[in-house]
Amino acid sequence: DIQMTQSPSTLSASVGDRVTITCRASQSISTWLAWYQQKPGKAPKLLIYKASNLQSGVPSRFSGSGSGTEFTLTISSLQPDDLATYYCQQYNIYPMTFGQGTKVEIK
Amino acid sequence: EVQLLESGGGLVQPGGSLRLSCAASGFTFGTSAMNWVRQAPGKGLEWVAAISGSGSTTYYADSAKGRFTVSRDNSKNTLYLQMNSLRAEDTAVYYCAKDAVAGLFDSWGQGTLVTVSS
Repeated sequence: DIQMTQSPSTLSASVGDRVTITCRASQSISTWLAWYQQKPGKAPKLLIYKASNLQSGVPSRFSGSGSGTEFTLTISSLQPDDLATYYCQQYNIYPMTFGQGTKVEIK
Repeated sequence: EVQLLESGGGLVQPGGSLRLSCAASGFTFGTSAMNWVRQAPGKGLEWVAAISGSGSTTYYADSAKGRFTVSRDNSKNTLYLQMNSLRAEDTAVYYCAKDAVAGLFDSWGQGTLVTVSS
C-alpha cells in the first residue's frame, strides 16, 4: 500500500498568514493527489484534485502543487473559516490512502 | 445538487452484523462508482470499499476483506455496506462518497455512526 505522510500534524497561524502543508507519498503517484478539508463535526470536502486543480467553488486562496512523491497545499491568506483538518489522499492505485491529517488552528 | 444520505448505523455487539445504506440523488447514480470511507473517533480517514457503477467490480481495504460486502441497487439509487463479524476497531463514522474519477471523492454524505461494544 502507498503510505501518505503529512507535516506538520498541527499548525497555528494568524489570520492573513500564508500557510503550507506538506504531503509525501511512499512511492511515486504522478499527480494523482487530492486535498480535502474537514471542518469539526462535518464531512470532508474536496478542495484540490490532480495535485493542483481547484475544485469548483473553492476559494482561490487555496492552491496545490507537486508531483511524484512531494506535494504541498498552500493557503495564501488564512481566514477564520479555514479552521479545519486537511487531508491529502492518493488515488493512483487501490487501496486509496490518506495522510494522517493536519489540524489548522487560528491564533 | 448531489445528495448522499447514510443510514443504518447504531450500537452492535462484537461479532455482530450491520447493514449501512446510502440513498443518492441529484446525479446519475447508475454510472457513478461509489465508496465507503470511515473515520474512527478522533482519528483520520480510512477508505473501506469501492464499487463500480454497474456493481460488477468491487475493491476492499485489507481491514474489510472477508467481513464487509459493498453492493448497490441502481433501481433504488442506493448503496449498501454489509458488515459482519464486527470488532471494536470498526467503531467509526461511515461516510459514503461518490467518485469523480476512480478514487477521487467529490461528494460525501453526512455519515452514520457505528459503535461496536458490549
